Amino acid sequence: IQLTQSPSSLSASIGDRVTITCRASQGISSYLAWYQQKPGRAPNLLIYSASILQTGVPSRFSGSGSGTDFTLTISSLQPEDFATYYCQQVNRFPLTFGGGTKVEIK
Amino acid sequence: EVQLLESGGGLAQPGGSLRLSCAAPGITLSDYALSWVRQAPGKGLEWVSTVGTTGADTFYPDSVRGRFAISRDNSKGTLSLQMDSLRADDTAVYYCAKGRGASFPDSRTFDYWGQGILVTVSS
Repeated sequence: IQLTQSPSSLSASIGDRVTITCRASQGISSYLAWYQQKPGRAPNLLIYSASILQTGVPSRFSGSGSGTDFTLTISSLQPEDFATYYCQQVNRFPLTFGGGTKVEIK
Repeated sequence: EVQLLESGGGLAQPGGSLRLSCAAPGITLSDYALSWVRQAPGKGLEWVSTVGTTGADTFYPDSVRGRFAISRDNSKGTLSLQMDSLRADDTAVYYCAKGRGASFPDSRTFDYWGQGILVTVSS
């Protein structure tokens, strides 16, 4: 199952609302996770089952979608949110990740 | 706080072998599926392998099947990845990752990751 993220990069300002999309090549129900990765660090789970916020993750992060189209939204971008974001499908093996979306400071 | 600690990386020659290990002091690893995920320099994430809670069920992508073998020792609280017939495109940072649970879909969603260990395949 291929996952296509868009955009591959974006520039945004503090306080902006940011939306990242992930499209699956076939239906995956709600079996999608989102991760945040900062340079030199391991990924960090943000959202699982498409819309469930992982414990400890700020509420400005939210996820939605099912089937083939999914969205990660950051409601008000904070300085610590500048990072690369990946979606992952867990519907079937082989597990696959999207290509990543790099969020940079405008 | 859950910690996953990888060891065993380094430099290997093409066609050579390396064995990675991951320890998780302080948690009952046998309650969770475990996985390896890698990231080539400047690239995205690639899933490498998953093992179920007992070690009986293992899963691989085509890119490593037949060359890599994942295993776990629940009595010691460790996860391993035996990597044989290494190729230059296996060069990456390798992460061990803990599933959220033991069964689908939690077993395939990774809530804790190690710090990563670099494997370089070069002559």
